Amino acid sequence: EIVMTQSPATLSVSPGERATLSCRASQSVSSNLAWYQQKPGQAPRLLIYGASTRATGIPARFSGSGSGTEFTLTISSLQSEDFAVYYCQQYNNWPITFGQGTRLEIK
Amino acid sequence: QLQLQESGPGLVKPSETLSLTCTVSGGSISSSSYYWGWIRQPPGKGLEWIGSIYYSGSTYYNPSLKSRVTISVDTSKNQFSLKLSSVTAADTAVYYCARSGLKNWFDPWGQGTLVTVSS
Repeated sequence: EIVMTQSPATLSVSPGERATLSCRASQSVSSNLAWYQQKPGQAPRLLIYGASTRATGIPARFSGSGSGTEFTLTISSLQSEDFAVYYCQQYNNWPITFGQGTRLEIK
Repeated sequence: QLQLQESGPGLVKPSETLSLTCTVSGGSISSSSYYWGWIRQPPGKGLEWIGSIYYSGSTYYNPSLKSRVTISVDTSKNQFSLKLSSVTAADTAVYYCARSGLKNWFDPWGQGTLVTVSS
């Protein structure tokens, strides 16, 4: 099983600033990585797939990068609605696995 | 617009079987381009993939749950279902159903349903 490790667990950033979230895989997942945003009481929402492709309707301030074992989600200028929990997910191998999440909070 | 909706009991007794159904609307579950999956989230914790099924009935399960999980599909009703046997309090979670492409990222998701295991 591929273990996905996200860092940091909690990130405090001011609105308008840039946020950088990291995800590391225990072995290569190529570019088979997705990012999700989850707000309280809601289902996760797909942001990025293929490590860097934005899903339909996702604002351009969200960008993903990386391949192999190291991945990054960058939110270029934080809006109030961006404060949430973010998860990465690998789909290169069965079983599908998620990271433990990064909570992005207002500084 | 594709929508998924989970349904089933919100309370299950320990040692019994949890049964949930996901109804798909706005699209066909018989498409050869997609898998249909179950993911769960214990209160205050992260996401755990349970398993996925192809319209033909082929299944993939999380090894940590495989001995207790059965996922099935009913193409005539445009539904797929989850059964989890011998439940304990550790199975208390919000259960989500979701569609994934052949590359297995999940989109869209159902709204989720909370299942509590308690006597």
